[in-house]
Amino acid sequence: EAQVTQNPRYLITVTGKKLTVTCSQNMNHEYMSWYRQDPGLGLRQIYYSMNVEVTDKGDVPEGYKVSRKEKRNFPLILESPSPNQTSLYFCASSQERPSSYNEQFFGPGTRLTVL
Amino acid sequence: AQTVTQSQPEMSVQEAETVTLSCTYDTSENNYYLFWYKQPPSRQMILVIRQEAYKQQNATENRFSVNFQKAAKSFSLKISDSQLGDTAMYFCAFTPPYNFNKFYFGSGTKLNVKP
Repeated sequence: EAQVTQNPRYLITVTGKKLTVTCSQNMNHEYMSWYRQDPGLGLRQIYYSMNVEVTDKGDVPEGYKVSRKEKRNFPLILESPSPNQTSLYFCASSQERPSSYNEQFFGPGTRLTVL
Repeated sequence: AQTVTQSQPEMSVQEAETVTLSCTYDTSENNYYLFWYKQPPSRQMILVIRQEAYKQQNATENRFSVNFQKAAKSFSLKISDSQLGDTAMYFCAFTPPYNFNKFYFGSGTKLNVKP
C-alpha cells in the first residue's frame, strides 16, 4: 500500500531533550516536506527536500533540522525542544514539487507536547 | 510574504444543502497552483480539488467545485448535496510562482454538516 508513515504518532517530552520524528514513504517520491499545524494558523511549512541531500527552509525552520540521506526517509530533528514547538506535525511527499499534476500525500501526523 | 486567507473560521450547513467556503490569496504573479484540502476528525489530510491559475475553467470533482476569480484573487469551494461525511476542517493552499517547492495554507474553515 502506497503510504507516508510517521513515528511516533504521539510524544510527550521535556524542554531541551533532543528528539527525532521519522518520516518514510514507499512511493519513490523525490519531494518531501514537513509541516506543523497550530490552531488558527493552519499548516506551516518547516522544511522541504527536492531530492537526496537537497533540502531548504520553509516558512518556520527555526529550532528544527532535517536530513535526506535516503530517498524514502526525511527525519525531523528537534535538537533542543521548547514548549512553543508543541504542535501537530505532518510529513508529506509527492513525485515532484507539488502542483496540479503532482499530488502531495500526507502522513497521519505526530502530536508533540513539550513540557 | 505570500498569504492565504480564510475568513470563515466555522460554518454550518444542513445535510443535502449547498455551502461555499471562501479563500483569498495574495500574489502578483500570473501562474501558480491552488488547492483545497479536507481534514476530518481523523486528522488525515485529503486533497479535495486543485486548480492551475492559468486555466480559466473552474475545476470540478463530483460534488466539489471551485469558483476561481483570478483578478479578485479568490478561490472559493462549493460543496453540493452536503453529506455528514463532509464534516471536517477545510484548508485552502497554494504554491507561489517564484518557488513551486513552497506550500502555503490558510487558517482553515471548520464545516459542520447537520442532519
